[in-house]
Amino acid sequence: EIVLTQSPATLSLSPGERATLSCRASQSVSRSLAWYQQKPGQAPRLLLDDASNRATGIPARFSGGGSGTDFTLTISSLEPEDFAVYYCQHRGNWPPLTFGGGTRVEIK
Amino acid sequence: QVQLQESGPGLVKPSQTLSLTCTVSGGSISGGGYYWSWIRQHSGKGLEWMGYIYYSGSTYYNPSLEGLLTISVDTSKTQFSLRLSSVTAADTAVYYCARFSMTLGAMDVWGQGTTVTVSS
Repeated sequence: EIVLTQSPATLSLSPGERATLSCRASQSVSRSLAWYQQKPGQAPRLLLDDASNRATGIPARFSGGGSGTDFTLTISSLEPEDFAVYYCQHRGNWPPLTFGGGTRVEIK
Repeated sequence: QVQLQESGPGLVKPSQTLSLTCTVSGGSISGGGYYWSWIRQHSGKGLEWMGYIYYSGSTYYNPSLEGLLTISVDTSKTQFSLRLSSVTAADTAVYYCARFSMTLGAMDVWGQGTTVTVSS
């Protein structure tokens, strides 16, 4: 079973700063990794699939990288609406779907 | 554009069965290429994938819920449903339905979520 570990648990930054979030897989997942953003009281929203492909309507300040076991989500310059919780997710063989524990990006 | 909407009781008694329905609008549930999914989120916690179903009826469940969870699909109504048996307070959560895209390997459309409380 693949386990996804996200770090840090909380990231305290100011608007305009760069955010770098990490997702580490317990074994190689190639590039089969997605990222979601969730704001309070809302459903998650797909940001990236295949580690780095931005979903429809996602601003260019969101970018993803990595392959194998180590992945990053980067927000180049935080906007006020970017303060939220971010989850990574892998689609594998078994179990078919796994989420990381999340990283909260909060205003410093 | 495709939209999903959860419906069902907001309060369920312990040991009973939790039943929720997700209605798909703006698109077909039979088109293939997607798994129709249920995800839940305990208060203040992360996301837990519960399971999903293909339009043909093939199901895949989180091993932690095997034997308790049943997901079904009604293509004629463009709905899919969740039944979780023998619930306890630990099943109190926000329940989301979502469309999992096989092409993207991710959930690209989500319902707004519905809160279910298990309490006597």
